[in-house]
Amino acid sequence: EIVLTQSPATLSLSPGERATLSCRASQSVRYSLVWYQQKPGQAPRLLTYDASNRATGIPARFSGSGSGTDFTLTISSLEPEDSAVYYCQQRDEWRWAFGQGTKVEIK
Amino acid sequence: EVQLVESGGPVLQPGGSLRLSCVASGFTLSSYAMSWVRQAPGKGLEWVSTAGGRRGETYYADSVMGRFTISRDSSKNTLYLQMNSLRVEDTARYFCARLGPPSSSHFFDYWGQGTLVTVSS
Repeated sequence: EIVLTQSPATLSLSPGERATLSCRASQSVRYSLVWYQQKPGQAPRLLTYDASNRATGIPARFSGSGSGTDFTLTISSLEPEDSAVYYCQQRDEWRWAFGQGTKVEIK
Repeated sequence: EVQLVESGGPVLQPGGSLRLSCVASGFTLSSYAMSWVRQAPGKGLEWVSTAGGRRGETYYADSVMGRFTISRDSSKNTLYLQMNSLRVEDTARYFCARLGPPSSSHFFDYWGQGTLVTVSS
């Protein structure tokens, strides 16, 4: 059973700075890693899929990368509205696992 | 426009039962795998169950296996989650989510706003 570990737990940065979020899988699986953004009181929103593709309507400052067991979500220049919790997710045959989340705070 | 609207979450006592509903619009439910994902207050996301596409297969997290049953009614374009033997630790917001793409069903591309289920004595 795959386990996804995200780091750091919290990231506090200023507007315009670069944010780098990490997700490490306990094993390599055949399905690609996905990232979501969740703001307080809202449902999660799909950000990137298949490691590096952005979902519809997602700004270009969000980019996903990685392969195997190590993946990264990069926000190139933080905007105030990027304050949220970010989750990684990966399918492992008949289970869909989530990481525990990284909270991004804007100073 | 794809929309998912959940309903069915009052306050319940431990051991009770409840059925959640998720009405889908903007797409044909039977063409996609559909899931329930929950989030306990202040906690992260937890996958609960998936109903596969055209083959009708179902999958469950270990934490709900034997207690929850996922099903769908294609004529009503509605997904259900029958929850039995409820526990305090089942307290959470339950999201209905569509899995995409149909060829691999490996990510959740659309989500409902969720319905809150509270189990308390």
